[in-house]
Amino acid sequence: ELKVEQNPLFLSMQEGKNYTIYCNYSTTSDRLYWYRQDPGKSLESLFVLLSNGAVKQEGRLMASLDTKARLSTLHITAAVHDLSATYFCAVDIRNNDMRFGAGTRLTVKP
Amino acid sequence: DAGVTQSPTHLIKTRGQQVTLRCSPKSGHDTVSWYQQALGQGPQFIFQYYEEEERQRGNFPDRFSGHQFPNYSSELNVNALLLGDSALYLCASSFRTGISGNTIYFGEGSWLTVV
Repeated sequence: ELKVEQNPLFLSMQEGKNYTIYCNYSTTSDRLYWYRQDPGKSLESLFVLLSNGAVKQEGRLMASLDTKARLSTLHITAAVHDLSATYFCAVDIRNNDMRFGAGTRLTVKP
Repeated sequence: DAGVTQSPTHLIKTRGQQVTLRCSPKSGHDTVSWYQQALGQGPQFIFQYYEEEERQRGNFPDRFSGHQFPNYSSELNVNALLLGDSALYLCASSFRTGISGNTIYFGEGSWLTVV
């Protein structure tokens, strides 16, 4: 059975600090997505990673993909309060059939 | 350019009833996927429609069914509602199955409460 595991599930950070969220998955896939979800809202696409070694950056967030290790990371640099949200990774197992992790609930405190 | 639109946004149903949720994909997209997101959990894949046919299905019972219309819009039907069906139902649209790299867009979702 396919597993997509994120850790940590809960993360409380101080503003200005750095941290990394990890996403491990158990199947072969070369497409991985990161989404952000604010409370009561839908999913906002952050990154689409399409190949081994892919790295993408947007603002204070940077995502990478290692398909051999079946691992993706989402690195947060100098966190700010506006980054508080739940972050999901999702593995595309077949034709946009995505399997999501449980999510990492990030709280950034002043 | 309208994004993915879903209706209704909120609804309350009684156990045993039936519900229909609707989704219009983003302009130019032809593939619609449905996900169920229970409170505090990640979305779970229900099924996907392309060319008016169900192409893939997740681990959901037959009470969950769907349809895609010629204009690419889609419906999700749930029969014999259970309390456990209470969740946010998300519609995702994309362009063609099997094409790498296309961004998948989600609608705002339909909040279903079963009482």
